[in-house]
Amino acid sequence: EIVLTQSPATLSLSPGERATLSCRASQSVSSYLAWYQLKPGQAPRLLIYDASNRATGIPARFSGSGSGTDFTLTISSLEPEDFAVYCCQQRSNWPLTFGGGTKVEIK
Amino acid sequence: EVQLVESGGGLVKPGGSLRLSCAASGFTFSSYSMNWVRQAPGKGLEWVSSISSSNSYIYYADSVKGRFTISRDNAKNALYLQMNSLRDEDTAIYYCARAPECGSSCIYWFFDLWGRGTLVTVAS
Repeated sequence: EIVLTQSPATLSLSPGERATLSCRASQSVSSYLAWYQLKPGQAPRLLIYDASNRATGIPARFSGSGSGTDFTLTISSLEPEDFAVYCCQQRSNWPLTFGGGTKVEIK
Repeated sequence: EVQLVESGGGLVKPGGSLRLSCAASGFTFSSYSMNWVRQAPGKGLEWVSSISSSNSYIYYADSVKGRFTISRDNAKNALYLQMNSLRDEDTAIYYCARAPECGSSCIYWFFDLWGRGTLVTVAS
């Protein structure tokens, strides 16, 4: 099973700041990595698929990069609605696995 | 409106059974693979099971294999999860999620549409 490790666990930032989130895989997942945004009581939302492709309707301030084992989700300038939990997911191997999540909180 | 709506969650005793449903609307359900993903209290997301559009591919997490059964009814735009022999550790919010396909055996196993989830609590 491929283990995805996200860091940091919590990121404390102010609106307008840049957020950089990391997801590291225990073995190569090529570019088969997705990022999701989770908010309590809401449906999770796909942000990025295949490492760097923005999903439909996702603002340009969200970007993804990386390949192999190291991936990054960047939010260029945090909006109030961006404070949430973010998690990564690999589709390279079965079972599909998720990272533990990074919480982006208001500083 | 494009959406997924889960139902069927509730409180059940260990060893009991429950059947979850997911109603799809606003898109061609029969063209997508479907999945169940869960989130236990205070934990991260855990993939549970997947089924392709034509039932050709079905997968289960080891933690539920032999106890859970995924199925779908394309005529009713519905996805199901039959959960038997439930354990305390199955307590979670269960999400229904859609995965796009690019052909009969070409499936992008990421989740581009999710429901809000249904809570399953296993406790005596």
